[in-house]
Amino acid sequence: ETGVTQTPRHLVMGMTNKKSLKCEQHLGHNAMYWYKQSAKKPLELMFVYSLEERVENNSVPSRFSPECPNSSHLFLHLHTLQPEDSALYLCASSQDLGQGYGYTFGSGTRLTVV
Amino acid sequence: DAKTTQPTSMDCAEGRAANLPCNHSTISGNEYVYWYRQIHSQGPQYIIHGLKNNETNEMASLIITEDRKSSTLILPHATLRDTAVYYCIVRVGRGSNYKLTFGKGTLLTVNP
Repeated sequence: ETGVTQTPRHLVMGMTNKKSLKCEQHLGHNAMYWYKQSAKKPLELMFVYSLEERVENNSVPSRFSPECPNSSHLFLHLHTLQPEDSALYLCASSQDLGQGYGYTFGSGTRLTVV
Repeated sequence: DAKTTQPTSMDCAEGRAANLPCNHSTISGNEYVYWYRQIHSQGPQYIIHGLKNNETNEMASLIITEDRKSSTLILPHATLRDTAVYYCIVRVGRGSNYKLTFGKGTLLTVNP
């Protein structure tokens, strides 16, 4: 356990489904992140939240919708996904956005879109 | 943004020291060097970071050259569980919005 918990660990969904990924941390961190890791590709930063406000949206399609209701929880709402969206989705947190703070990652959600 | 260059893969014998190099010739004065690793299908794990001085913790040592253009991560006694992709990252960004950007890293394989 890293202190960042992601659920579910595995998810299979159809292209017309709506699902949500959940991330939870009780490390007292103020910043949270969503990353995507496709097969044999580097991690791609998707969204950044600081103190519950979105500060970064890296040109992610609107079928991915993040939500940060409080500093401990981060969601990624999914709808009308494509098969190429199948990937490992990783959540991370850090003390804040400032220089010098390492990130703590969750174990990820393995998403398969069929 | 400073970029890093790492070998694609390396092998190491179990029990020996693993020395993973990283070049970051365009690093600026206030940028840190971070090392993370990712064991297959798990989230990345923070290892160590440094600015100018060499650093050591319970996992590894980080040696940064005096000109800061390169660094080496040292795992003093590698075990089979250290087999992973190791990422050398220079923290980039402006103001307070520093992002952590991952490259392809080095696949370290520890052999019995």
